Amino acid sequence: RKEVEQDPGPFNVPEGATVAFNCTYSNSASQSFFWYRQDCRKEPKLLMSVYSSGNEDGRFTAQLNRASQYISLLIRDSKLSDSATYLCVVTSGTNAGKSTFGDGTTLTVKP
Amino acid sequence: GAVVSQHPSWVICKSGTSVKIECRSLDFQATTMFWYRQFPKQSLMLMATSNEGSKATYEQGVEKDKFLINHASLTLSTLTVTSAHPEDSSFYICSARDLGGSQYEQYFGPGTRLTVT
Repeated sequence: RKEVEQDPGPFNVPEGATVAFNCTYSNSASQSFFWYRQDCRKEPKLLMSVYSSGNEDGRFTAQLNRASQYISLLIRDSKLSDSATYLCVVTSGTNAGKSTFGDGTTLTVKP
Repeated sequence: GAVVSQHPSWVICKSGTSVKIECRSLDFQATTMFWYRQFPKQSLMLMATSNEGSKATYEQGVEKDKFLINHASLTLSTLTVTSAHPEDSSFYICSARDLGGSQYEQYFGPGTRLTVT
């Protein structure tokens, strides 16, 4: 089993749709959680950190459930520019905070 | 925000030659930098953790004699791919953590696309 597993996707949605991505992790000692966005042939860019209390940034909402070892990302009112691959990243509290990436979920928003 | 640069952005080399890639944190200090490799349509795979002033920690399956890492200062880490072969062709990305940051956020360099012919 992979340490970090994401929805396989791809997700193809119309503009304005709401889309949710899920991610599970296996290491219960994990301490920090992030969603990154990666555009084709570019480096990943931090989208948002994920906290147990949940956090929202505009159209994006991230949620963490430590008991279920589950992370989610919700995108509301999706835009064409949201088309990208979304990476779930889990960082351990040991081993110099090594990060493990999920395989990513590709989102395509269509007009 | 924190900026990480990589040089070169792309390189084409012949089989058997060595290639050095530089990773710099431009506006912050980083005791730890990470080197990743990403093949097409796959996620990032951590190759090694680069620690300033000490030896790098390599992930299982990554040959330390082939991928030489040097982290001589708080703002620079280098990865040298020695005796490169076509199967080493990939997108190499470094990342760094800001000492003054929190929550283990990583800032990524723009990547180096290596093609070995």
